[in-house]
Amino acid sequence: DTGVSQDPRHKITKRGQNVTFRCDPISEHNRLYWYRQTLGQGPEFLTYFQNEAQLEKSRLLSDRFSAERPKGSFSTLEIQRTEQGDSAMYLCASSSGLRDLDNEQFFGPGTRLTVL
Amino acid sequence: EDQVTQSPEALRLQEGESSSLNCSYTVSGLRGLFWYRQDPGKGPEFLFTLYSAGEEKEKERLKATLTKKESFLHITAPKPEDSATYLCAVRGYSSASKIIFGSGTRLSIRP
Repeated sequence: DTGVSQDPRHKITKRGQNVTFRCDPISEHNRLYWYRQTLGQGPEFLTYFQNEAQLEKSRLLSDRFSAERPKGSFSTLEIQRTEQGDSAMYLCASSSGLRDLDNEQFFGPGTRLTVL
Repeated sequence: EDQVTQSPEALRLQEGESSSLNCSYTVSGLRGLFWYRQDPGKGPEFLFTLYSAGEEKEKERLKATLTKKESFLHITAPKPEDSATYLCAVRGYSSASKIIFGSGTRLSIRP
């Protein structure tokens, strides 16, 4: 399978615990994005990497959230001291960035987080 | 601020009954308008990108059109397997990367 993969698919945690999610983009894609989606809403942008550089962050991304892409390949999203409001689907997407317009983003299956 | 509004929120059709979904947008210079399909519990699946008013794209029973203020996703003679949430998103010149999604239209096709 050459699509975007995410791990784990589901995560249940207790309030106050830290969680980390992983995303493996399509292999030739140099751009990687994280989104959060709650029930009945469209995905909301969290952050964006071009290769290993984090170039844009949403104001939705509080200090408890951190994302890395150390070698420009896979990425991790960590949430510290989770709160019940963090319960959502966390989606990763990648794109090729080969053209100036750089449009089509391809999404992974998501990680569903439940904070008890 | 870039914004996307989709209507209706939900649409129930009989198999074979054609209809259209609407996406209204405001954006500071359109770099692209996107349509995605999302099945329950899965990530969005890319359908189309439109760049300029008057542009149209087709894929099987779906056709997307674009004006300066809105986009339509026309579905012709739908089948039950077309049931999904359809998401519209835009990318403007105010951001180098992020796309802004609407809340989607939940489409249900009855056999």
